[in-house]
Parts: sequence; structure tokens; C-alpha cells
Amino acid sequence: AQSVTQLDSQVPVFEEAPVELRCNYSSSVSVYLFWYVQYPNQGLQLLLKYLSGSTLVKGINGFEAEFNKSQTSFHLRKPSVHISDTAEYFCVATSGTYKYIFGTGTRLKVLA
Amino acid sequence: DAGVIQSPRHEVTEMGQEVTLRCKPISGHDYLFWYRQTMMRGLELLIYFNNNVPIDDSGMPEDRFSAKMPNASFSTLKIQPSEPRDSAVYFCASSRSGELFFGEGSRLTVL
Repeated sequence: AQSVTQLDSQVPVFEEAPVELRCNYSSSVSVYLFWYVQYPNQGLQLLLKYLSGSTLVKGINGFEAEFNKSQTSFHLRKPSVHISDTAEYFCVATSGTYKYIFGTGTRLKVLA
Repeated sequence: DAGVIQSPRHEVTEMGQEVTLRCKPISGHDYLFWYRQTMMRGLELLIYFNNNVPIDDSGMPEDRFSAKMPNASFSTLKIQPSEPRDSAVYFCASSRSGELFFGEGSRLTVL
């Protein structure tokens, strides 16, 4: 069965420091991967997606992620975070069946 | 383009009352999803539709929950009777080509 694991429930980081939010997935079939961000009292919005092709995916707000098939990972990175990046981040996987598997989320807290 | 529109944004009701949540998907999207988000359980898929037809409702918690999609531009999620454990944020999302677009959510509080 497909599953998504976000290894860190909370990540505190100082403003302008780099950050990596970790995501591992398990799937016996081809997988499509997404990162979504949820700001307080809002819905989820797409940061970036991997469907095929280049394993380095660039998204909005300076975020990027790398698909690593051998390590079954899809970690999210940003070289320099801002206070406004404080939010919850979800890693999501699907094998194309429209059944999306969500990770439990990582709360990113950017400190001044 | 208007995004996914949900109403009401907030609903406070008493146990035993009927609750109806509404969703207007993005025009042209042929998939519609209902999710529930709580602190304890995270995001849970309740049901999804393709071309207005329910495809998978295995996530609907019990018979008190029902969902309909009478046409391509409208869906409802009904809880009758409501219970305090139904308190959560309910999200509607739509999709056409794999990417999910979420509404702002309906925060339900059952007293």
C-alpha cells in the first residue's frame, strides 16, 4: 500500500537560514508527488509537483524539491526562509488513480 | 479565475442538528473531493466524484454523512444528525489534470 512519511512534525528555523522538510514515500508503482502549503485558516495551495522528467523541481516562493527514486524521497528545500513562510507543509503522493495520500504535515516556524 | 468556493466558512450548531456544507468547484474540473481535517487525524478523504458520479465513498465515517453532486458546478456534504466529534474543518477540492485545488474550508463546530 502507498504511504507518505513526513519525518518532522515541527521545524523551527531562523529567518534567512536554509531549511529542508523531509518526505519519504512508499509505492510499488509509478508515483506522482506534490508539496502543498497551508497558511493559518486557509486551504492548501500547491507549491510544486513532480510528474516526470527532471528530478529537480522548482516551485513558487523560492521552494524546490528533488525526487530521489532510489531513496524514495521528495525533500523540500529553500535556501533562505522568510517569516511569511511560517505555515504547515504537506507532502502528497498518488499513483495516478486520483487517490491522494497525504503526509501528516510539517509545521515550519520561522523565527526572527 | 475563481477558485473552489465553499460555504459557509464557519458553522456552529448543536448536537442533533442537520448540517449542509456546499462547494462550487472550478469550472471545467471533472473531479471533486471532500476532505476532513482535524488535529488528531490530519487530512482524511471522505468521498470523491468523477463527472458528478461518486467513485469512492469508503472514507465517509458513517451513515450520518452523505454527499451529492447534482451537477458539475455544485456539491453538498450533509451531516444528519451532527455530533460533537464531527467538529473539524471540511475542505472541498477539485481537479482536472492531477493537481488538487482546495477551497478555503468550512469550519464546523458541533456543541
